[in-house]
Amino acid sequence: NAGVTQTPKFQVLKTGQSMTLQCAQDMNHEYMSWYRQDPGMGLRLIHYSVGAGITDQGEVPNGYNVSRSTTEDFPLRLLSAAPSQTSVYFCASSYPGGAGEETQYFGPGTRLLVL
Amino acid sequence: DAKTTQPTSMDCAEGRAANLPCNHSTISGNEYVYWYRQIHSQGPQYIIHGLKNNETNEMASLIITEDRKSSTLILPHATLRDTAVYYCIVRVESNYQLIWGAGTKLIIKP
Repeated sequence: NAGVTQTPKFQVLKTGQSMTLQCAQDMNHEYMSWYRQDPGMGLRLIHYSVGAGITDQGEVPNGYNVSRSTTEDFPLRLLSAAPSQTSVYFCASSYPGGAGEETQYFGPGTRLLVL
Repeated sequence: DAKTTQPTSMDCAEGRAANLPCNHSTISGNEYVYWYRQIHSQGPQYIIHGLKNNETNEMASLIITEDRKSSTLILPHATLRDTAVYYCIVRVESNYQLIWGAGTKLIIKP
């Protein structure tokens, strides 16, 4: 299994440009999520999905869109990039275990620089 | 806001046990405690989780106090490769969210 894969690894954008960060998993996990991590800080949840066709907002959703048309893929779209979106973006997938149990598997991250 | 409190940084000698504390005084009865680590800006890696009982796996042990207000992650024989930021996280019971704090930077010294 490849696990969770993310592309691209690194991207430079100009303010106002749009782009899509790709995330795929081959573990047949129901749950997928997107986080951003700013320097010296923990991860903050952007959007998440509990299954194909179902998405919801996390802690910092503004400026980002997601969709989940398949179990495997969960792309993150930046509609109009801003310098404040310069960050490292991590995608994660997980399976729900018993009540309250859930182990997340993370991709390697996409480093985004917005000029 | 993070529901956990951890020291900012810790040192440990190679080969010794590393004990990482975490306070989660507002934890609810059905909320699990999770530990992840992040090595040099890679994607976080799951270590262990628990609810009430102590847990052990091939990576670490998790000791949870009886009142569940704090826990300790134990790496029994730390190696240089264990140098990382360790995150103690409580999964919010009401929704699908892991609230991440800044974690503890653990430095293993030769």
